[in-house]
Formats: sequence, structure tokens, C-alpha cells
Amino acid sequence: QVQLVQSGAEVKKPGASVKISCKTSGYTFTNYYMHWMRQAPGQGLEWMGIIYSGGGTSYPQNFQGRVTMTRDTSTSTVYMELSSLRSEDTAIYYCAREPHSGAYYFDYWGQGTLVTVSS
Amino acid sequence: QSALNQPPSVSGSPGQSVTISCTGTSSDVGSYNRVSWYQQPPGTAPKVMIYDVSNRPSGVPDRFSGSKSGNTASLTISGLQAEDEADYYCCSYTSTSIYVFGTGTKVTVL
Repeated sequence: QVQLVQSGAEVKKPGASVKISCKTSGYTFTNYYMHWMRQAPGQGLEWMGIIYSGGGTSYPQNFQGRVTMTRDTSTSTVYMELSSLRSEDTAIYYCAREPHSGAYYFDYWGQGTLVTVSS
Repeated sequence: QSALNQPPSVSGSPGQSVTISCTGTSSDVGSYNRVSWYQQPPGTAPKVMIYDVSNRPSGVPDRFSGSKSGNTASLTISGLQAEDEADYYCCSYTSTSIYVFGTGTKVTVL
């Protein structure tokens, strides 16, 4: 069965970086796009970007220059690194799979990773 | 890109129907049939309930249905059940090739 298992909670200081992993199983990793979203406490969901099946990426303007999405095909794992952290980046971060190219929705989600930014 | 506008809350008694609206613009909801809906019970990850405006993934009860008119999409839950109590978010692909989510709606079963 399809599984997306994310790394554990992180506590970071302002200005630092965080790198979250999302280990996948149960499907052919290189055939699917992966997205990242985040959800601040008590708030809604925010799309952070996509890593395509070929490894290319696309980020929205508000995260350009601060977010980097990468992957390791040998371990079927995707990573999301966010730099220059500030308190407003405190949130639960989710990876989510797009079920096929051009599906435009997310069928499987990771369990979420809480990132707390505090001095 | 602003978040899509949803009512903060809706409620209904068991067996009743509730409808959640999701209002965007001609650059997102109005331009594409790429609207999806997600259910998120407290403390859990979102789960897709509807994709491409009105399609249900396998395993989602047919009590859940979606539609769209102009710049507004809607999710209707018919025959409301206690297990439907959760937050619901719409999501749309946009003309700038990004995704935008709705503000979220809390569904309460009275």
C-alpha cells in the first residue's frame, strides 16, 4: 500500500534552516509528482511547491529563494528545505502525492511534521 | 494569489444536507475544472473527497458531491453523519501554475 512517512518534529531558531524528509513506499517513486504544503497553527493550508517525476521543481513566488525540494531515488525519499526561518514559519509541513501527471490534486499525504521556530 | 473564500462554519443535524461554497476568481476556480476538496478531522492529515470539481475517489461515500458555477465551487454533504464533522478545504489550480487553497470551513454535526 502507498505510504508517505515524514521525519519527526523540529525546533529551530530564527534564521536557521530546516530539512524535512518524506520517505515513500508502495509505488514507483519516479513516476509521480510530489507536493509540499504547510499549515500554521489554527490556520488553513498553503501550497509550497512541487517536485516533478524527473526531479525538476517549481515554487510559488512567496517561497522563491527560501525553499528547496530535492529527492533521492535510491531511497524513494523527497526532501524539503526551508531557510531563513522566522516565527511565521511555525507550522505543520506535509508532503502529498499527485496521483498521476496532470491530475491537479493530492491523493496520499504524509502524517505531517511540526516545525517550531522560536528563539 | 489570495486564498479562496469559504464560510468559516456550517452546521446541520444528522441526515440533513449542508453545502460549503468556495469562491475564487476567473484566474483560478473560474478558469479550470481543477477544483478539489479535502476533509481534515482534528489532528490528522487532509484526505481528498472530490477532484476535478465533481469526481469522487474510490472509497468516498456518494453522500459527498461537488459542483461549480462561474467562480464558485461547492461541496454538498447529503445525509450528514457524525463522522463528517471536520474541517473542509477547497483547492484550485491557477493561471499562474500554482495551487491555492480555501480559507477552510468547520462542519459541525448538531
